[in-house]
Amino acid sequence: DAGVTQSPTHLIKTRGQHVTLRCSPISGHKSVSWYQQVLGQGPQFIFQYYEKEERGRGNFPDRFSARQFPNYSSELNVNALLLGDSALYLCASSLIWTSGRRSVVTNEQFFGPGTRLTVL
Amino acid sequence: SQKIEQNSEALNIQEGKTATLTCNYTNYSPAYLQWYRQDPGRGPVFLLLIRENEKEKRKERLKVTFDTTLKQSLFHITASQPADSATYLCALSFSGGYNKLIFGAGTRLAVHP
Repeated sequence: DAGVTQSPTHLIKTRGQHVTLRCSPISGHKSVSWYQQVLGQGPQFIFQYYEKEERGRGNFPDRFSARQFPNYSSELNVNALLLGDSALYLCASSLIWTSGRRSVVTNEQFFGPGTRLTVL
Repeated sequence: SQKIEQNSEALNIQEGKTATLTCNYTNYSPAYLQWYRQDPGRGPVFLLLIRENEKEKRKERLKVTFDTTLKQSLFHITASQPADSATYLCALSFSGGYNKLIFGAGTRLAVHP
């Protein structure tokens, strides 16, 4: 079974450009989260999506946006890139289980290998 | 302010010994505490989850404790091996339907033969 896949693996951009990063979750996983990891720090939560809707957003500017597609894959877009956006961008997928009308995302997250973004 | 603190210095231990890593947090009330392993250039890999009403959890050579009064978790690797060398991240998560993780900065563990 394939794990979480992300593309591209590496990317170099210049300030002011925009970038689109892609993520495919594990088959059967309907929740996708995005994290930014700067060198020497832990990952920082950017977004969570499930059932194609944004369910959570971290403390990131509006230059960051994301969406989830009907097949549960996801894109992260960053506009007007700054030098400080250079980081490893991680995508994580999780299962969702339902109890009655309530959907709960399981806590265990499966991370992809990340996209290394360098902004010059 | 809200903080998660892990040993910032690398932990160097001899093969066969027990490694103990610490995670302290302030001004959070997590429902769960998780530990992940991260190798250089790779994404984190889930190891263990412990709930707020659990004191201890074990999985093979791994053991996690969770003290909500002290706001601390300890992560132990017994009979450590050079292959255990990696960065270990603790992460808090909360009840409420979605599973946003708040990570510490991680502790780098080096196990020497």
